Amino acid sequence: GENVEQHPSTLSVQEGDSAVIKCTYSDSASNYFPWYKQELGKRPQLIIDIRSNVGEKKDQRIAVTLNKTAKHFSLHITETQPEDSAVYFCAARNFNKFYFGSGTKLNVKP
Amino acid sequence: NAGVMQNPRHLVRRRGQEARLRCSPVKGHSHVYWYRQLPEEGLKFMVYLQKENIIDESGMPKERFSAEFPKEGPSILRIQQVVRGDSAAYFCASSPGRNEKLFFGSGTQLSVL
Repeated sequence: GENVEQHPSTLSVQEGDSAVIKCTYSDSASNYFPWYKQELGKRPQLIIDIRSNVGEKKDQRIAVTLNKTAKHFSLHITETQPEDSAVYFCAARNFNKFYFGSGTKLNVKP
Repeated sequence: NAGVMQNPRHLVRRRGQEARLRCSPVKGHSHVYWYRQLPEEGLKFMVYLQKENIIDESGMPKERFSAEFPKEGPSILRIQQVVRGDSAAYFCASSPGRNEKLFFGSGTQLSVL
């Protein structure tokens, strides 16, 4: 099956700086890559996603890039704010199953 | 437009009891997934169901765990004879169909005493 690895496991940035979280996947058949934000005690919320026929997608301060050849995708958050502090999960969809990375705990220091 | 609804939010059971976790998907969604999450860890796939069918249960332990998604009513994840190691957050997610986005419920926190 698919294997999704995510780095770093924790990330601490100063407010206003950028944050980058990286994921790799193993199966070239995976075709859809969502990112979820999970605040403490809450449900994972979909924040952005990208399909395999697209290389980059942006939504305000959040962007995702995909390199199909290298099988990796990244989440970029610019101008970070304290409310961006949460755990972020990447995922890869492979034949209708979603495989998740282990999560990145982002701490934005005011 | 209600999202994925899970109940109960918190469930306390003693060792050996049964736990029943319920999930009502977004209206119109026919695909349901169950995930388990331990503290400080990721989301581990358990089972994928469509109406009245189990599509993939490769992530679910073969003993004590079962899941269903009947034609009418919510999806149920059932854990028989719970043990302390079953303590975790169990999240349900739904999707309208193939190649569609996945939306999560608020989870059920199961605590086994």
